[in-house]
Amino acid sequence: AQKVTQAQTEISVVEKEDVTLDCVYETRDTTYYLFWYKQPPSGELVFLIRRNSFDEQNEISGRYSWNFQKSTSSFNFTITASQVVDSAVYFCALSEKDNFNKFYFGSGTKLNVKP
Amino acid sequence: SAVISQKPSRDICQRGTSLTIQCQVDSQVTMMFWYRQQPGQSLTLIATANQGSEATYESGFVIDKFPISRPNLTFSTLTVSNMSPEDSSIYLCSVEGIQGGRTEAFFGQGTRLTVV
Repeated sequence: AQKVTQAQTEISVVEKEDVTLDCVYETRDTTYYLFWYKQPPSGELVFLIRRNSFDEQNEISGRYSWNFQKSTSSFNFTITASQVVDSAVYFCALSEKDNFNKFYFGSGTKLNVKP
Repeated sequence: SAVISQKPSRDICQRGTSLTIQCQVDSQVTMMFWYRQQPGQSLTLIATANQGSEATYESGFVIDKFPISRPNLTFSTLTVSNMSPEDSSIYLCSVEGIQGGRTEAFFGQGTRLTVV
């Protein structure tokens, strides 16, 4: 069965600190997709990244970076030099090869960045 | 990317009534998806809506409670029937779209429903 675990319910940091959001997943599929979404207080879900199971390259986009480790079934997200605008709930999600839009979401991590 | 418009953005409803949520996409899409996010919780898929066929419901969700229409390739509605306070949630519509040359999933801004 597919499952995504985000053990950190809430994290508070001071602006300019680095912060890592953890994501651990379970799946029996050999091909799958992993995602991170941001949900600001306004409620919409903002797509951040998708990673395919066969591509373990880590990715950096500006202040954001993602570390995908199949050996530990983890897909962690790091924000460098956090800013107040990064305050949001962040969701990690998993979807299957044959059902791309059927997401299994983690419970979310609420990030509070204080000035 | 796909631009998704959901209406209403929020509503407060009396228990026992029904609310129909609309999802409009700016491009034709094969499948549309409806999710529920209960307060402080994660998102759970309610059903998948294909144009021209019955929606496919996930375990724990039934058509009588959450009837879905999909009259064309750019529009879908989700009705929350005979509402109770437990139905208070954010309901989100999702579609596939293209971003950076790849297929990605996009979500509407959600409908925040409060049942009193």
